[in-house]
Amino acid sequence: GIQVEQSPPDLILQEGANSTLRCNFSDSVNNLQWFHQNPWGQLINLFYIPSGTKQNGRLSATTVATERYSLLYISSSQTTDSGVYFCAVERLSGGYNKLIFGAGTRLAVHP
Amino acid sequence: DGGITQSPKYLFRKEGQNVTLSCEQNLNHDAMYWYRQDPGQGLRLIYYSQIVNDFQKGDIAEGYSVSREKKESFPLTVTSAQKNPTAFYLCASSIGQAITGELFFGEGSRLTVL
Repeated sequence: GIQVEQSPPDLILQEGANSTLRCNFSDSVNNLQWFHQNPWGQLINLFYIPSGTKQNGRLSATTVATERYSLLYISSSQTTDSGVYFCAVERLSGGYNKLIFGAGTRLAVHP
Repeated sequence: DGGITQSPKYLFRKEGQNVTLSCEQNLNHDAMYWYRQDPGQGLRLIYYSQIVNDFQKGDIAEGYSVSREKKESFPLTVTSAQKNPTAFYLCASSIGQAITGELFFGEGSRLTVL
């Protein structure tokens, strides 16, 4: 099956720093989503991005589907950005579009 | 407010007992999903339903059961057959049947087997 790899697995930042998280996938996909899981476990959808670039405040994402990767940029990081960032790729499997999650990048932002 | 409500947030169970986790959504979404998350891991799909009265097994369905009698509701039962049920369970929904669409999650239910 398709492999979804996220890097780095862990990241520690000082407040105000910028960072780039990467998601590589091993086969063509129909779509890609980025999620943030806060320390209490709540998952929030950040971007629904099959290709191109999207921006939302301090966050932006770029997906290059032909090269099978996506990047999530966090600028001017804040302590509230801490948590785990997941990418999930959407692929047709068994008659429906299945979401396959990566293992996540654990981000800790210190004041 | 539209959203997904899971209950209970925390649940303790003795070995050999079945437990049912509730998931209700008022987003008018057709598709609903149950995921399991173990500490430090990603999400794995247990069951999904694209329409009322229909559901399919995901990657780790053994020891779990679901029903989809109403569009708004997709309860998950963790049966005594599930060998290692202690985990964080997340319910999600999305608009589409053919296309997953944006996925929205509930706040999760933490199950601990004593």
